Amino acid sequence: AQSVTQLGSHVSVSEGALVLLRCNYSSSVPPYLFWYVQYPNQGLQLLLKYTSAATLVKGINGFEAEFKKSETSFHLTKPSAHMSDAAEYFCAVSPDGSYKLIFGSGTRLLVRP
Amino acid sequence: DAGVIQSPRHEVTEMGQEVTLRCKPISGHDYLFWYRQTMMRGLELLIYFNNNVPIDDSGMPEDRFSAKMPNASFSNLKIQPSEPRDSAVYFCASSFRDRGTSPLHFGNGTRLTVT
Repeated sequence: AQSVTQLGSHVSVSEGALVLLRCNYSSSVPPYLFWYVQYPNQGLQLLLKYTSAATLVKGINGFEAEFKKSETSFHLTKPSAHMSDAAEYFCAVSPDGSYKLIFGSGTRLLVRP
Repeated sequence: DAGVIQSPRHEVTEMGQEVTLRCKPISGHDYLFWYRQTMMRGLELLIYFNNNVPIDDSGMPEDRFSAKMPNASFSNLKIQPSEPRDSAVYFCASSFRDRGTSPLHFGNGTRLTVT
């Protein structure tokens, strides 16, 4: 079965530090991959998506992710964390190009002053 | 663009009561999804529609759950009778056209508490 694994349910960084949120997927075919962010009491918002074009994908708010097929990974990074980045982040896969997204369990990002 | 609109934002009901959650997708979107979010199970897809027709309801947990989309601008999710284990945040999302590449646009969710 297709799945998504997010390593670390909580990640804590200092303001200005590098943000790295990990996502590994299992898929027998080239997948579509997504990162979503959820702020408290809100729905999920798309940060970025990979659809088999460039392997380095840039998203909103300075985030980017790199698709590495050999590692089946799609880690999310941001060079410098802001307090406003504190939220929960979800990696998702559409393994066959369908709309049936499979979400990871989420990683809560905490940003320390 | 008003976004996906869900109502109510919060619903508190007693076990055994019928619960109706409502969703208005973004105008022009032809896919609509219902998700459930809990601490234990994360985000689960319950059902999705294309052009108002249910395509995949394999995620609907039990016969107590039903969803309809009578027209392109409205969908509802009903739980009858409700049980405490149904307590969760229910999200509606809509999307447009291109398979797998068009992002989901989520509403702000309905937080359901069944006592």
